[in-house]
Amino acid sequence: DVKVTQSSRYLVKRTGEKVFLECVQDMDHENMFWYRQDPGLGLRLIYFSYDVKMKEKGDIPEGYSVSREKKERFSLILESASTNQTSMYLCASLSGRFRFNEQFFGPGTRLTVL
Amino acid sequence: GQQVMQIPQYQHVQEGEDFTTYCNSSTTLSNIQWYKQRPGGHPVFLIQLVKSGEVKKQKRLTFQFGEAKKNSSLHITATQTTDVGTYFCAGYDGNNRKLIWGLGTSLAVNP
Repeated sequence: DVKVTQSSRYLVKRTGEKVFLECVQDMDHENMFWYRQDPGLGLRLIYFSYDVKMKEKGDIPEGYSVSREKKERFSLILESASTNQTSMYLCASLSGRFRFNEQFFGPGTRLTVL
Repeated sequence: GQQVMQIPQYQHVQEGEDFTTYCNSSTTLSNIQWYKQRPGGHPVFLIQLVKSGEVKKQKRLTFQFGEAKKNSSLHITATQTTDVGTYFCAGYDGNNRKLIWGLGTSLAVNP
């Protein structure tokens, strides 16, 4: 069964802290994504990666960076957390070189920045 | 930039009533996907439509892709409480290789 896991369901951090969100998929998928979801704003793409060590900016990359050292793991990094980064963060993965295939989502990490 | 507008934002129905959500794109899409997100859950893929005018059914759910590949709809017949959640469409812009998400329609069902 396909599985995408995220390191934490809930996370509370302080302004200015460096925050790491981890995502692991066990499906050998090439593509992985990080979204944030806010009420009324839907899903917004932060970054995606189509291969190990490869990354591309999504629609809202400011304040975030990513790392993909291994195929199964995609990390989202908040260099200096701010209160406006309080949100639900969703990781997803997708098979193949066609980016319009089905995306598999992780359970999400609800991040609160105080 | 390219947008996918989804309406309505919210819909509240009595159990047994029908429900429809619509997505409209400003430009032609290569294909469109539909996802469902239960309260407290994550989006789960329902279906993908690729061909112009395509209609697909999954039990009480009917999905349509418009002839011009600019709009799509999801219709649920005789809603049940298990249909509660937010339904998202996501259209693929083949020219820019981007998946454009609608903002979702939240469905509430009164038993």
